Amino acid sequence: AQSVTQLGSHVSVSEGALVLLRCNYSSSVPPYLFWYVQYPNQGLQLLLKYTTGATLVKGINGFEAEFKKSETSFHLTKPSAHMSDAAEYFCAVDGGSNQGGKLIFGQGTELSVKP
Amino acid sequence: EADIYQTPRYLVIGTGKKITLECSQTMGHDKMYWYQQDPGMELHLIHYSYGVNSTEKGDLSSESTVSRIRTEHFPLTLESARPSHTSQYLCASSEPGPGSGEQYFGPGTRLTVT
Repeated sequence: AQSVTQLGSHVSVSEGALVLLRCNYSSSVPPYLFWYVQYPNQGLQLLLKYTTGATLVKGINGFEAEFKKSETSFHLTKPSAHMSDAAEYFCAVDGGSNQGGKLIFGQGTELSVKP
Repeated sequence: EADIYQTPRYLVIGTGKKITLECSQTMGHDKMYWYQQDPGMELHLIHYSYGVNSTEKGDLSSESTVSRIRTEHFPLTLESARPSHTSQYLCASSEPGPGSGEQYFGPGTRLTVT
């Protein structure tokens, strides 16, 4: 069965610093991988996704993630944090056809950005 | 533009009341989902649907029920609300295909049962 682990429930960075949010997954099939962002009192918004092809995926708001099959990782990065990046971030893996096409979510990482 | 709507956004209701949380999408998606999310916590899938007249229970046991009479509408009902039902409820939809692909989320309904 697929699963997702996000390392660190809370990450704090200074404005302008590198953002690195870690995600490891387990999957018995080639995975589809996603990063979502959730701002307070809102639903989730897709940041980026990996399906096939290029392993470095660029998303919205300057975020990118790299799929590393050998490390079963899909870490999210942004070169320079902005105050508006403060939010909850969720990594997710597609559960596969035998899971009815459901997404399996990690427990989330709250990103704080200090001025 | 992905459009998925949830009403109400906030609801405070007393124990024992029957409530229905509404979810509608205008994208024609066959697949729809309900998640329960406690503050600062992960999402738990409680119901999903592959299309009209299709409903399935998710990974987290829930006392709520759902229906799918129309493609665009996927309401969630609690027959008798309890304080343990206090949570945020998120509705989502996705395009057909072997995988879920991208899921589009509504803004959520924050439910408080007193």
